[in-house]
Amino acid sequence: RKEVEQDPGPFNVPEGATVAFNCTYSNSASQSFFWYRQDCRKEPKLLMSVYSSGNEDGRFTAQLNRASQYISLLIRDSKLSDSATYLCVVSYGGSQGNLIFGKGTKLSVKP
Amino acid sequence: ETGVTQSPTHLIKTRGQQVTLRCSSQSGHNTVSWYQQALGQGPQFIFQYYREEENGRGNFPPRFSGLQFPNYSSELNVNALELDDSALYLCASSVRRGGPTDTQYFGPGTRLTVL
Repeated sequence: RKEVEQDPGPFNVPEGATVAFNCTYSNSASQSFFWYRQDCRKEPKLLMSVYSSGNEDGRFTAQLNRASQYISLLIRDSKLSDSATYLCVVSYGGSQGNLIFGKGTKLSVKP
Repeated sequence: ETGVTQSPTHLIKTRGQQVTLRCSSQSGHNTVSWYQQALGQGPQFIFQYYREEENGRGNFPPRFSGLQFPNYSSELNVNALELDDSALYLCASSVRRGGPTDTQYFGPGTRLTVL
């Protein structure tokens, strides 16, 4: 079983749509949670951290359910510029803090 | 821009050869992590260096090795290249603050092709 699993995608949505991505992680010792965005042939960039209380950044809302080991990302009012691959990431933290990435879900927003 | 640079941007090698990839971390960052991203996959952690010492390693064989220098820049060396080593190699720099996880800033990557 993969440590971090995501919706396989791809998601093809019209501009203005609301889209939700889901992710599950297998290790209950995971301490930190993130969503990264990766454009085609570019490096991953931190989109937002995910907190237990849920958090919002403009059109983006992230939720974490530790009991179910489940993370979500909601994008409202999709823009063409949101087209990218979204990577769910967890970390065990501590002295290493290495990031464990899901395979990513590709989003294409169409006019 | 993250201020993390990598060189070269692209590289083509043949099986059995050796390769060295370089990473300059963001100013003030003392930790460098290396990741391998195969096509269609998420990045996979190779290892991390903190103050010139290896500080954690993923599931990669010993032919993947690294160094960190006093200025915190880093190298990734891969010996006896295999076809499956073809991937985007990413380095990420961060500042060790002692928190749960320090934010990592990625460089643009080196795309390695092994023929």
